[in-house]
Amino acid sequence: QSELTQPPSVSGAPGQRVTISCTGSSSNIGAGYDVNWYQQLPGRAPKLLIYDNNYRPSGVPVRFSGSKSGTAASLVITGLQAEDEADYYCQSYDSNLSAFNGVFGSGTRVIVL
Amino acid sequence: EVQLAQSGAEVKKPGESLKISCKASGYIFSNYWIGWVRQMPGKGLEWMGIIYPGDSDTRYSPSFQGQVTISADKSTGTAYLQWSSLRASDTAIYYCARRQNRGRSSEIDQWGQGTLVTVSS
Repeated sequence: QSELTQPPSVSGAPGQRVTISCTGSSSNIGAGYDVNWYQQLPGRAPKLLIYDNNYRPSGVPVRFSGSKSGTAASLVITGLQAEDEADYYCQSYDSNLSAFNGVFGSGTRVIVL
Repeated sequence: EVQLAQSGAEVKKPGESLKISCKASGYIFSNYWIGWVRQMPGKGLEWMGIIYPGDSDTRYSPSFQGQVTISADKSTGTAYLQWSSLRASDTAIYYCARRQNRGRSSEIDQWGQGTLVTVSS
């Protein structure tokens, strides 16, 4: 059972802005743990997209951005492109788990109309 | 270049044992935590556990404690995930992943390509 809740899917037309939410609790995001985001293209391994709430690794397009507030985080894709159709997962840590053991969100499929 | 190369796909019968591997290269293996992540068919990512190869400190997520064993061999730079008795419900893709060392919320910055394990009679 994931402790980070994401919407099962979001959709948008090319060029539109889509937002994926990641809702946690006082033991994970609300406890001050940062949030990381991963993109998983069909049939591929996940890839780091955003770390520490809002930092992009080298090579990740600027249309991807992240934020965190309270017990939730968000990933925004500004200017949706066909190649962004994938599954997206948030990830953080939880004070109820042993240190260094993370937790993933339930995952969100982005559908490009 | 940092790489995690996983062993190939496996087909096993219920009750059989299995050990899959993840060979690291391009960095100092002992200095980074390596985790294992399960993805069941059509489902999301699940964090199974993590090991620090430097001293073999191993932590398991509650759902996987007692179900699998995570280990690492510093001499070969390889991490392992093993089962003593497989079940059909263990059918999944298993990813190894390197955790960065920047703080208590560090990200996974490198993933293996995944190992498909199929358990069927």
